[in-house]
Amino acid sequence: NAGVTQTPKFQVLKTGQSMTLQCAQDMNHNSMYWYRQDPGMGLRLIYYSASEGTTDKGEVPNGYNVSRLNKREFSLRLESAAPSQTSVYFCASRGAVGELNYGYTFGSGTRLTVV
Amino acid sequence: KQEVTQIPAALSVPEGENLVLNCSFTDSAIYNLQWFRQDPGKGLTSLLLIQSSQREQTSGRLNASLDKSSGRSTLYIAASQPGDSATYLCAVRLSGAGSYQLTFGKGTKLSVIP
Repeated sequence: NAGVTQTPKFQVLKTGQSMTLQCAQDMNHNSMYWYRQDPGMGLRLIYYSASEGTTDKGEVPNGYNVSRLNKREFSLRLESAAPSQTSVYFCASRGAVGELNYGYTFGSGTRLTVV
Repeated sequence: KQEVTQIPAALSVPEGENLVLNCSFTDSAIYNLQWFRQDPGKGLTSLLLIQSSQREQTSGRLNASLDKSSGRSTLYIAASQPGDSATYLCAVRLSGAGSYQLTFGKGTKLSVIP
């Protein structure tokens, strides 16, 4: 089934450790996104990539970096994890009118705990 | 800045009842509006997407309406079932060049009691 795949599904980090969250989509979408979801805060945009080779900051980019490796893959990196980054992270891609899965398609999420 | 509000935050109904979930947004210059469902500990599943030029969209027992001028959307669920229990999220995409992101409401948690 076409969709967005995120790895890992769960991760526990110690403060100061680094890690990369992986995301891949197979719908040939140009745009990809990283959101975080926190209780009482809803989903907030961290970074997005409107097309291969471009990335832009969203609402809450501090402490994160991203790489749009190719059209399929968009990774999110935490260089030095902090407890405030404990959250559920969702990757999404967006289909344009006429494309497969028009609108936003989300991955199943990565549950990250920083201790 | 676009703000999206969903009321109520939680709703409990008996099985079989028809129900309406509400979503309001502050900036009416939207491109489209999308309703999602989120089960506990899971990702978001797209339910319906309404373009700004449309008034409603239907899928099975679900009907979403859009009144752009008043900044409101509703999700109508007919003949609710326990399997409909989930959190329902409304998200708005603004129109205009460079408007790539969705702005989400905080969701309505629905419980359908058998």
